[in-house]
Amino acid sequence: GQQVMQIPQYQHVQEGEDFTTYCNSSTTLSNIQWYKQRPGGHPVFLIQLVKSGEVKKQKRLTFQFGEAKKNSSLHITATQTTDVGTYFCAGPNNAGNMLTFGGGTRLMVKP
Amino acid sequence: GAGVSQSPSNKVTEKGKDVELRCDPISGHTALYWYRQSLGQGLEFLIYFQGNSAPDKSGLPSDRFSAERTGGSVSTLTIQRTQQEDSAVYLCASSFGQGEYNEQFFGPGTRLTVL
Repeated sequence: GQQVMQIPQYQHVQEGEDFTTYCNSSTTLSNIQWYKQRPGGHPVFLIQLVKSGEVKKQKRLTFQFGEAKKNSSLHITATQTTDVGTYFCAGPNNAGNMLTFGGGTRLMVKP
Repeated sequence: GAGVSQSPSNKVTEKGKDVELRCDPISGHTALYWYRQSLGQGLEFLIYFQGNSAPDKSGLPSDRFSAERTGGSVSTLTIQRTQQEDSAVYLCASSFGQGEYNEQFFGPGTRLTVL
């Protein structure tokens, strides 16, 4: 079945350093979504990418969808303590009727 | 408008007891999902409801788990004869229409502790 993998599982950074998490799918995706879960909270939708090679920015966050639509990345420039949390990518399952979530990347930021 | 709500927020039960967890999706959302998240882990899909279609139960870990959705709105997840390994946060999410392009809105979750 379809798999969505994320690396790394964990990342510790010093405040001000950059951070990147990568998402890879075993199949071509029609779209990819990214969610953020703060410690003790629930996942919250960040963005959706649909087009091959698409790049979207939200302030210090840059999201990219690969040309083959099988991978994606989230890059955070100059991390802040407010960026702490787990970042999940999600892509449609083979039936196209719901999302398959990656395992998440947990980001920890040292002040 | 109101988001997805879940109740109770916390549930402590004894091994072997049954529990019911409730989810109120966003009004008008036809798709509803249940996930389980163990401490520090990812989201484990449990079950998916879409409109009046038969639910996708492919993620339920055992026959002790069941869920229903009444009137296309509120959903209840029931765990019978709870075991300690059932301890986790149970998250409910809803979306408008089928889930491929639609973002999922998550509730705050129910933290289940089985003693």
